[in-house]
Amino acid sequence: EAGVTQFPSHSVIEKGQTVTLRCDPISGHDNLYWYRRVMGKEIKFLLHFVKESKQDESGMPNNRFLAERTGGTYSTLKVQPAELEDSGVYFCASSSLLAGNYEQYFGPGTRLTVT
Amino acid sequence: AQSVAQPEDQVNVAEGNPLTVKCTYSVSGNPYLFWYVQYPNRGLQFLLKYITGDNLVKGSYGFEAEFNKSQTSFHLKKPSALVSDSALYFCAVSLGFSGGYNKLIFGAGTRLAVHP
Repeated sequence: EAGVTQFPSHSVIEKGQTVTLRCDPISGHDNLYWYRRVMGKEIKFLLHFVKESKQDESGMPNNRFLAERTGGTYSTLKVQPAELEDSGVYFCASSSLLAGNYEQYFGPGTRLTVT
Repeated sequence: AQSVAQPEDQVNVAEGNPLTVKCTYSVSGNPYLFWYVQYPNRGLQFLLKYITGDNLVKGSYGFEAEFNKSQTSFHLKKPSALVSDSALYFCAVSLGFSGGYNKLIFGAGTRLAVHP
């Protein structure tokens, strides 16, 4: 079974540019989460999809961030325009909706550097 | 506010010695607690969880953790450390599990260095 994949693994962009991160969850996982780790601090929740619907986007920092999950499969996270403070590692995770399944499976992360 | 604290940025231990990575939490209600490990250039891997029941939970790679409600702690332990255990460890708490959804709150992480 393939795990959660993320693309790209690393992105370096200039302030003001646009970047789109992609996450492919484990096949059949309806829950999809985005998290971010900035400057060696704690990993922070950004938002959560159930299938194609946003269930909780309370962690999105501002309206420069836009997440989509069309068709309930892969998800994209767009940052437009990027700012220096957006640098960090963006993790995607997925989990099943089956009762009793508490474990989230994480991807390797995308390291975003804004210069 | 809900939070997780990992008081040590780094833990150093000699191979073969026992190790402890500390975690305390502050949440309302009954917490669901998790440990994840991140090896270089890899994603976070699930180690173990406490949901309910026995306070001592066992997980992958010989790790275990003890839930202590009175001290609001969930320290990660291993009786005998291996060099291959060197990695970044994250403690996390869930605000609850409803409808298959559990948003995780993470600590800042602790780097474990096991020396030969």
